[in-house]
Amino acid sequence: DVVLTQTPVSLLISLGGQASISCRSSQSLVHSNGNTYLHWYLQKPGQSPQLLIYQVSNRFSGIPDRFSGSGSGTDFTLKISRVEPEDLGVYYCLQRTHNPWTFGGGTKLELK
Amino acid sequence: EVQLVESGGGLVQPKGSLKLSCAASGFDFNSYGMSWVRQAPGKGLDLVADISSKSYNYATYYADSVKDRFTISRDDSQSMVYLQMDNLKTEDTALYYCTAFAYWGQGTLVTVSS
Repeated sequence: DVVLTQTPVSLLISLGGQASISCRSSQSLVHSNGNTYLHWYLQKPGQSPQLLIYQVSNRFSGIPDRFSGSGSGTDFTLKISRVEPEDLGVYYCLQRTHNPWTFGGGTKLELK
Repeated sequence: EVQLVESGGGLVQPKGSLKLSCAASGFDFNSYGMSWVRQAPGKGLDLVADISSKSYNYATYYADSVKDRFTISRDDSQSMVYLQMDNLKTEDTALYYCTAFAYWGQGTLVTVSS
């Protein structure tokens, strides 16, 4: 199975600051069709996960442009600029290029 | 409005059975693969089982930890997806989410304990 390693495990950020989360894959996430199925979710406290970014860099409906995704192959990054209180929670990357699809271990974003 | 509503969780003894249900609405259910993802207390997310749409012949996938114990199924006419869980173990204790990639339910709690 593909292993996704997220770093850091936790992140202390001041309101208005910028956060960067890395997701590294044990193998390339480029599908044979040329697409890369690496996605990002946020799980706020007490809530179910919500999709932020799909296929590396596409913001899902209603997601503010403070969230941006980038990367290719095996290395991917989620950046959150101008952190707001509602951004706090655990961020997960998910790959759906290879079966079975797998999640990263999560990165907890907390306020400094 | 998209909704995924899980039900069927509860407290069960080891080796017991439960059947989870997920009622979907507000999106083209028939076109989506559907999955069950679980989250043990204080832990991350793990795919449990997945069933593709009719277009992909309702192919199924199971995590090794639940293979031969859990069965995923779907009823496209009712926009429902199910997870039959047999021979439950204490390590199956978790919040079980029904998900269609972008859409997630609120989860149903399964507790396996004697």
